[in-house]
Amino acid sequence: ILNVEQSPQSLHVQEGDSTNFTCSFPSSNFYALHWYRWETAKSPEALFVMTLNGDEKKKGRISATLNTKEGYSYLYIKGSQPEDSATYLCAGGGRDDKIIFGKGTRLHILP
Amino acid sequence: DTEVTQTPKHLVMGMTNKKSLKCEQHMGHRAMYWYKQKAKKPPELMFVYSYEKLSINESVPSRFSPECPNSSLLNLHLHALQPEDSALYLCASSQDWTGTYNEQFFGPGTRLTVL
Repeated sequence: ILNVEQSPQSLHVQEGDSTNFTCSFPSSNFYALHWYRWETAKSPEALFVMTLNGDEKKKGRISATLNTKEGYSYLYIKGSQPEDSATYLCAGGGRDDKIIFGKGTRLHILP
Repeated sequence: DTEVTQTPKHLVMGMTNKKSLKCEQHMGHRAMYWYKQKAKKPPELMFVYSYEKLSINESVPSRFSPECPNSSLLNLHLHALQPEDSALYLCASSQDWTGTYNEQFFGPGTRLTVL
């Protein structure tokens, strides 16, 4: 995995609204896709690791899907809350046992 | 204990100084990582240790010298750094070094400034 792209770079969402953002990666040499949440002044925190095409994972109001054939993953947040404000990083892992991070999506929740 | 700790939180050093960053985990993880993150860029892998042996060195300059004294501890020794080495240095660990499949647990990072 050489290049992981995330969009949008930044997103402002009204509290209570739902939102989603995208991670795209080369579908060849793909082994796993990671999502991390990184709040300011804290450690990045793992949300999901997905490996299989069609995988869907959920943690509370946050869920993610994976399409390995077309090389993308979506992260969904339902009913955004102020504590969801963070940078969301995705990382792709390939055959070489390393994960390559995207630049992240910076999410701001507006009161 | 699911925490990775890093010390110090902040470090300012001159180009002729020698300093060390420390990372510790007590989760029984056998893989540990150093990442470098510059502003508005993604974290970049520097080194991977698996079972206390260096498994990956991402062509990092020799002024950065990693050390894994035991399975819980990871150090990064710094010597003759350049101002462009100023960055956030993140440590992470995972259950083992099939790093692709295992979630990584990160510390809060050391903010390094080189004058």
